[in-house]
Amino acid sequence: DPKIIQKPKYLVAVTGSEKILICEQYLGHNAMYWYRQSAKKPLEFMFSYSYQKLMDNQTASSRFQPQSSKKNHLDLQITALKPDDSATYFCASSQGESTEVFFGKGTRLTVV
Amino acid sequence: GEQVEQLPSILRVQEGSSASINCSYEDSASNYFPWYKQEPGENPKLIIDIRSNMERKQIQELIVLLDKKAKRFSLHITDTQPGDSAMYFCAASGNNNAPRFGAGTKLSVKP
Repeated sequence: DPKIIQKPKYLVAVTGSEKILICEQYLGHNAMYWYRQSAKKPLEFMFSYSYQKLMDNQTASSRFQPQSSKKNHLDLQITALKPDDSATYFCASSQGESTEVFFGKGTRLTVV
Repeated sequence: GEQVEQLPSILRVQEGSSASINCSYEDSASNYFPWYKQEPGENPKLIIDIRSNMERKQIQELIVLLDKKAKRFSLHITDTQPGDSAMYFCAASGNNNAPRFGAGTKLSVKP
């Protein structure tokens, strides 16, 4: 029974379109993250949020926008999609800093 | 942000032998060093971690060593089994910094 739910599991998008990746965690954690994994850059850190506030950001492009409507939600909006955005996007969470990070199952995005 | 280097990228060992993966980090403020195992098609899962107040930690066949002065840490898997074959990632994090991961090591254990 996954405690970090990511939707959808697979996603195919057309170049130039916009998609939202959904993430909800039921671990009671106050920190949530997005990581991206591709053949070029395994487990690349993107964003971290704590109590719904942006704490750390290593994504250069403004096309990637995290959205936190609730404490246990951290969605990822991606605009103007490019084939290079094709990757598996992992949502993760932890109880505070310097503690175990739990990963969701991931959303595998393919941009054609 | 923190930068983590991980070597080797590919590691092939014989069943029953030991496997070692080495990582280094840049930020002296990093204080938490987890190791994750990722099977094909799965998400990464924590297998062992070590904090900066320790130099060595062992859980069954897994041993992690931390050298804070050299900013290096390593994972040693003793008596490897085919089930240990997977991708392994080291990471480093500190206060106010999310974990940054190394590039990964693909471990293959041959029977």
